[in-house]
Amino acid sequence: QVTLRESGPALVKPTQTLTLTCTFSGFSLSTSGMCVSWIRQPPGKALEWLALIDWDDDKYYSTSLKTRLTISKDTSKNQVVLTMTNMDPVDTATYYCARQTDYGDISYFDYWGQGTLVTVSS
Amino acid sequence: SSELTQDPAVSVALGQTVRITCQGDSLRSYYASWYQQKPGQAPVLVIYGKNNRPSGIPDRFSGSSSGNTASLTITGAQAEDEADYYCNSRDSSGNHLEVFGTGTKVTVL
Repeated sequence: QVTLRESGPALVKPTQTLTLTCTFSGFSLSTSGMCVSWIRQPPGKALEWLALIDWDDDKYYSTSLKTRLTISKDTSKNQVVLTMTNMDPVDTATYYCARQTDYGDISYFDYWGQGTLVTVSS
Repeated sequence: SSELTQDPAVSVALGQTVRITCQGDSLRSYYASWYQQKPGQAPVLVIYGKNNRPSGIPDRFSGSSSGNTASLTITGAQAEDEADYYCNSRDSSGNHLEVFGTGTKVTVL
């Protein structure tokens, strides 16, 4: 049974750095084809992909946010961590982590965490 | 980077068929996947690859693709299908970036 759970602060101040942790179970991030992505959704708006880390420790970032994002994994703890620097009120959103299965030309997010709402406000 | 464009909203009568489209250059090279999201809930994968449904997804959901357009069809829509639907594919740059569509609100009348 695959599960993912996001954790982190519900409130951050502008200019601060956000650190979110995704703790997962039911799969190994060292298995070929397994990835974990972070995706966010501002209130009432569409989903936005942020970053991905794969089984080979390759990392990919949204072009528009790459200067602010860092993704890392701790395979022994089954955790993926996302940091986002210089937070702004426009970054207020629900942040999801999701397992991504990648078979080359077929890639999909098959399991999602419940999401964590992060509000950026002074 | 790529963009995936969806109609903002569509409506369908109970038991009828509705098609949701997703347009973008990346769809010429990569399969789309489709996600259903109900209010206050995380998205749920409903279609991936050529036309594959995860376990537990009803067979009234189907996917297709032609050129730069991917489609999700709900045949015999049910009240519980009322939700937001998002498409997703890899970015056309080939750099393993991902992109989501703008989303379609489906209302079942």
